[in-house]
Amino acid sequence: QVQLTESGPGLVHPSETLSLTCTVSGFSLTGYSVYWVRQPSGKGLEWMGRMRYNGDTSYNSALKSRLSISRDTSKNQVFLKMNSLQTDDTGTYYCTRVIGYNWAEYYFDYWGQGVMVTVSS
Amino acid sequence: DIQMTQSPSSMSASLGDRVTITCQASQDIGNNLIWFQQKPGKSPRRMIYYATNLANGVPSRFSGSRSGSDYSLTIISLESEDMADYHCLQYKQYPLTFGSGTKLEIK
Repeated sequence: QVQLTESGPGLVHPSETLSLTCTVSGFSLTGYSVYWVRQPSGKGLEWMGRMRYNGDTSYNSALKSRLSISRDTSKNQVFLKMNSLQTDDTGTYYCTRVIGYNWAEYYFDYWGQGVMVTVSS
Repeated sequence: DIQMTQSPSSMSASLGDRVTITCQASQDIGNNLIWFQQKPGKSPRRMIYYATNLANGVPSRFSGSRSGSDYSLTIISLESEDMADYHCLQYKQYPLTFGSGTKLEIK
């Protein structure tokens, strides 16, 4: 069945780099795009960026200078790296999927369980 | 960027009540809007897609509607399990933008 699973360190020190992995199963990364969404504790959701089904990427301009998304299709994994972390980057980070063509029924239908990241010294 | 103005930010309602949450888009997004439900400590769950379509497995007491640039999520008869945060998302234009969320509590 379809699954997305985020993994990564729970604690990152200020100014360091966050590295997260989204491991997927039950679908192909060449047929679906993977999006990263984060949620500061007690706050709303923010779209960070995406790895498209065709290998292209796009980023939220507010994070673009710090953010990089890549993938390894052979391992069914999508990677997020964000540098220069600060305390307001603390929150839960999610990956979710969007089908690679115009079929809204398969947009954002499955999400990972999320990974909590704390930025603290 | 498209701004999604969501209201109310919080509300309290009684079991059996009809509840409506609204998002207003600052630009035309067509029907490119999703409603999510999020319970504490859980991932968002898609409830409504393409503004008015009920997602698989979602109870029929939930519905989505659109009037111009205003999008609404309605629960026709509130149940205790509906206590959650609700978020709208526009995916017409990048960057994707969410509403600020509505916290729904049961009286």
